[in-house]
Amino acid sequence: GEDVEQSLFLSVREGDSSVINCTYTDSSSTYLYWYKQEPGAGLQLLTYIFSNMDMKQDQRLTVLLNKKDKHLSLRIADTQTGDSAIYFCAEINQAGTALIFGKGTTLSVSS
Amino acid sequence: DGGITQSPKYLFRKEGQNVTLSCEQNLNHDAMYWYRQDPGQGLRLIYYSQIVNDFQKGDIAEGYSVSREKKESFPLTVTSAQKNPTAFYLCASSPQITGTGELFFGEGSRLTVL
Repeated sequence: GEDVEQSLFLSVREGDSSVINCTYTDSSSTYLYWYKQEPGAGLQLLTYIFSNMDMKQDQRLTVLLNKKDKHLSLRIADTQTGDSAIYFCAEINQAGTALIFGKGTTLSVSS
Repeated sequence: DGGITQSPKYLFRKEGQNVTLSCEQNLNHDAMYWYRQDPGQGLRLIYYSQIVNDFQKGDIAEGYSVSREKKESFPLTVTSAQKNPTAFYLCASSPQITGTGELFFGEGSRLTVL
C-alpha cells in the first residue's frame, strides 16, 4: 500500500537552513505536498510540486523531487523561530480520492 | 470570510458515550474529509465524501460514522465502539478530487475520553 515516511525531529539555529526529507511509495502520484501545522491548529498548505518537475522555489522555500528514488525534500532558507512547527509531506492515494500524510517532522528553531 | 469551521474545539466524554463533531464549510467545496491525528502517528483518514449523500470509509473507519446530507456539512460521530477515541480530529475540504488535490483544513477538535 501507499506509505509516506519522514524523520520525526529536526533542530536548527535561527538563520540556518532547514532541510526536511520525505520518501513516498506511489510513483504515480501526480502532485506531492508540504503542509505546516502550528501547535493546536489545523494544517496549512505550504507548497506543492507537480511530478514532472525536479524543483520548485517559492521565496524561502525550495522543494526538490527525485522521482527515481521517490524522495522529496523541503528546504527552508534563513530559518526563523516562527518556522517552528510540524511539517507534513503528503501524496495522493492511488485511487486519487484522498491525501496520505507522513507522520510529520517537528522543526524546532532556537535563537 | 470563507473557511472551514469545526466545533467544539475541546470536548470531554465519558466512556460509553457517543459524541458528534461538527464540520461546516462555506467554500462551496464538493469533497470533505475527516482525519485523526495522534502524537507521532501523523494523520490517518477516517471517512471522506466526494458528493452529497455519498461517503467512503478511509483507513480507520471502525467505531466512527458520518453523514453528508448537505454540501456544506460533514459531521463525524465517534461511537462507543471506538476503543481509543482520545485524539485530535481534523476536518478538511477540497474543491474537487482531481486537479491539484489541495486540502483546506479546519482548526481541529480535541476529544478526550475520561
